Amino acid sequence: QKEVEQNSGPLSVPEGAIASLNCTYSDRGSQSFFWYRQYSGKSPELIMFIYSNGDKEDGRFTAQLNKASQYVSLLIRDSQPSDSATYLCAVLGQGAQKLVFGQGTRLTINP
Amino acid sequence: DTAVSQTPKYLVTQMGNDKSIKCEQNLGHDTMYWYKQDSKKFLKIMFSYNNKELIINETVPNRFSPKSPDKAHLNLHINSLELGDSAVYFCASSPSALGAQYFGPGTRLLVL
Repeated sequence: QKEVEQNSGPLSVPEGAIASLNCTYSDRGSQSFFWYRQYSGKSPELIMFIYSNGDKEDGRFTAQLNKASQYVSLLIRDSQPSDSATYLCAVLGQGAQKLVFGQGTRLTINP
Repeated sequence: DTAVSQTPKYLVTQMGNDKSIKCEQNLGHDTMYWYKQDSKKFLKIMFSYNNKELIINETVPNRFSPKSPDKAHLNLHINSLELGDSAVYFCASSPSALGAQYFGPGTRLLVL
């Protein structure tokens, strides 16, 4: 089982809709969870982090964490074509000092 | 005012050569990292330094040698380059080993 799993996509969403990106992780003791956005040919850019169970909102982005289910998600409201990118989920395990990345989900927003 | 910078951005070289990639951060962070992103876009950590001390050394061939002259710089030297080393190498930094990481622009290495 991979440590951090994401559906590689591609995920196609119409402009203005909600895009939902999901991630599961295997280390039950994981403490910190991060979402990065990576445009083609560019570097990963941090967009959200979450440490506690529940929801965390920042503008059009909402991160959701459920530690019991070992599940973290990212919702993008009012999706824009500029949101088209690969979204990487990253998890910091308990006592670990390294981020483990999922393989990324490629998101396309269709005008 | 670039936060994490890398040089060079592109590196094209022949098999067997030795090359170095340099990374600098001006964020005042204590921890720096090297990642490799392969053709399938999978991002994997190679090394991490905290205040010039090596804290993570993943299963990487010993042809790869990191060096941190101070906490703002982390360089990567690669000996005897192989075709399989072709990838994008990202440097990153974070305030601590447990914090969010911020990535540099990447160095695209192509070994011919």
